[in-house]
Amino acid sequence: DAKTTQPNSMESNEEEPVHLPCNHSTISGTDYIHWYRQLPSQGPEYVIHGLTSNVNNRMASLAIAEDRKSSTLILHRATLRDAAVYYCILRDIRGGYQKVTFGIGTKLQVIP
Amino acid sequence: SAVISQKPSRDICQRGTSLTIQCQVDSQVTMMFWYRQQPGQSLTLIATANQGSEATYESGFVIDKFPISRPNLTFSTLTVSNMSPEDSSIYLCSVPGGPTNEKLFFGSGTQLSVL
Repeated sequence: DAKTTQPNSMESNEEEPVHLPCNHSTISGTDYIHWYRQLPSQGPEYVIHGLTSNVNNRMASLAIAEDRKSSTLILHRATLRDAAVYYCILRDIRGGYQKVTFGIGTKLQVIP
Repeated sequence: SAVISQKPSRDICQRGTSLTIQCQVDSQVTMMFWYRQQPGQSLTLIATANQGSEATYESGFVIDKFPISRPNLTFSTLTVSNMSPEDSSIYLCSVPGGPTNEKLFFGSGTQLSVL
């Protein structure tokens, strides 16, 4: 599996934007970039994913570098409920289900 | 999206005993995954459970310690056998979903403490 590197922790003030970086320098052409988050005492939940182009959904935006070796998850206005561990993972898009390897993730603290 | 019900949500067990964790999905899925999350750590895949075949275990996990059943396409169990304090973890089941199975959906986990 191609590996990802994330900062162990980040802080943000409430209602400010948050940019969570992820490096994946060994990404292959068939790897999608996925983000999940794990709220306290819950299982991880899907946030967003993309291949080459930037992506937006109701939860967040995903900005992917042109060379695809890094990406940034953007929370436009952090709330206290966004305090969680955010995982950046790579998944091969080729046929069938590919098992997922989780790294240590980034623990986001939101300050009121 | 898939809705996953996982039981029990937490348990405290004695050393040497076994605990069976249940995972019920609201739709039929081919694959189910079992993860372990040790305190303060990330998720580690234990095994992949396919209906109608033996589960596939990851390196470091064996069937005798973590037997898995998959009787149908909506249900699976993971048993943690002959428990020791080192087995104290959160255990999570997960299924793929979405239009092309591109997403993973997780249960809320089972918090296991072994005394």
